[in-house]
Amino acid sequence: NAGVTQTPKFQVLKTGQSMTLQCAQDMNHEYMSWYRQDPGMGLRLIHYSVGAGITDQGEVPNGYNVSRSTTEDFPLRLLSAAPSQTSVYFCASKLTGTSGAETQYFGPGTRLLVL
Amino acid sequence: KQEVTQIPAALSVPEGENLVLNCSFTDSAIYNLQWFRQDPGKGLTSLLLIQSSQREQTSGRLNASLDKSSGRSTLYIAASQPGDSATYLCAVIAPTGANNLFFGTGTRLTVIP
Repeated sequence: NAGVTQTPKFQVLKTGQSMTLQCAQDMNHEYMSWYRQDPGMGLRLIHYSVGAGITDQGEVPNGYNVSRSTTEDFPLRLLSAAPSQTSVYFCASKLTGTSGAETQYFGPGTRLLVL
Repeated sequence: KQEVTQIPAALSVPEGENLVLNCSFTDSAIYNLQWFRQDPGKGLTSLLLIQSSQREQTSGRLNASLDKSSGRSTLYIAASQPGDSATYLCAVIAPTGANNLFFGTGTRLTVIP
């Protein structure tokens, strides 16, 4: 199993540009999520999904869109990038999200710089 | 709103020393708590998940405890090694959404050979 994979590893954008961060998992997990990590702050939840066609907002959803058309993929879209979105983005998955005893698996991260 | 704090933010110890990392949270209405390790430039690796009914969990040289009533958890690392150098994050699992995680800010540990 490849686990949770993310592409790209690093991206530079100009303010106002759009892009999609890709995330895929091959563990047949129903739950997938996106976090951002900023210096001096813990990881903060952006959006999550408990299955294909089902998404919900986390703590910091503004400026980001998600969709879940397949179990395997959960892309994160920035429609109009802003410097405040400079961060490291992590995708994660776990089996269902219905139990608090499920281990969450993380991807290696995408480092995004918005100029 | 759940807030998770980790103290200290950074810690340096000589190899072989036992050490304790602290995590505190403001809302005791949590399900479980999870400790992660993050190496520079890498993702997170789960170390231990403590269910609220267990209060303690052990894996090798690691022992994590949970006291929900006081809003505290500790991660004890025995006989530290240079390979333990990393950032350690705790996260509480809240009974909201889909058992989402709320993370602390982390403790950066350096074990000096």
